[in-house]
Amino acid sequence: KNEVEQSPQNLTAQEGEFITINCSYSVGISALHWLQQHPGGGIVSLFMLSSGKKKHGRLIATINIQEKHSSLHITASHPRDSAVYICAVLYNTDKLIFGTGTRLQVFP
Amino acid sequence: DTAVSQTPKYLVTQMGNDKSIKCEQNLGHDTMYWYKQDSKKFLKIMFSYNNKELIINETVPNRFSPKSPDKAHLNLHINSLELGDSAVYFCASSQYTGTSGYEQYFGPGTRLTVT
Repeated sequence: KNEVEQSPQNLTAQEGEFITINCSYSVGISALHWLQQHPGGGIVSLFMLSSGKKKHGRLIATINIQEKHSSLHITASHPRDSAVYICAVLYNTDKLIFGTGTRLQVFP
Repeated sequence: DTAVSQTPKYLVTQMGNDKSIKCEQNLGHDTMYWYKQDSKKFLKIMFSYNNKELIINETVPNRFSPKSPDKAHLNLHINSLELGDSAVYFCASSQYTGTSGYEQYFGPGTRLTVT
């Protein structure tokens, strides 16, 4: 069993829908990252958070340290949001452990 | 200006060869990493260096040898390449704080194909 679990593995949505991707982890962490990997392969860090909530444009990330759970929300989804979203936890302050990713496809 | 760059972007080679992948960051970060993304797109850390010192070495075969000539560069040399080494290798950097750390900046990846 992976230390970082994401759900769902695959997600399709219509443009404009509200999207939620979940991440649960089983280890003590110092922070959690949400990453985006586009079909071209590049990886971009969307958020790093250790408590509460962060918002950037249409993206919102929340974390509940007690429940070892984080969510990534996308409001008013758009086809350009189609990508793989990866949750990664920072363990021992310098080691990232990755989830298996959620493949999102948004159709017009 | 590219923050984290890797060369080459694609590398096709035969089993048994030795190859190197180079990584450079111009962010002034202290810490650099190598990650491997397998065919199922699962990412896993291989190594991390902080100020040219090896910090993390994750049960990687000793055919893989990272080298950090200075804190802006972290190269990965692979000896006696095997089919199972085929993957995408990502370099990343971050500023090490000793507390919660900072977000990581990833290079574009190097797709290695061993035939």
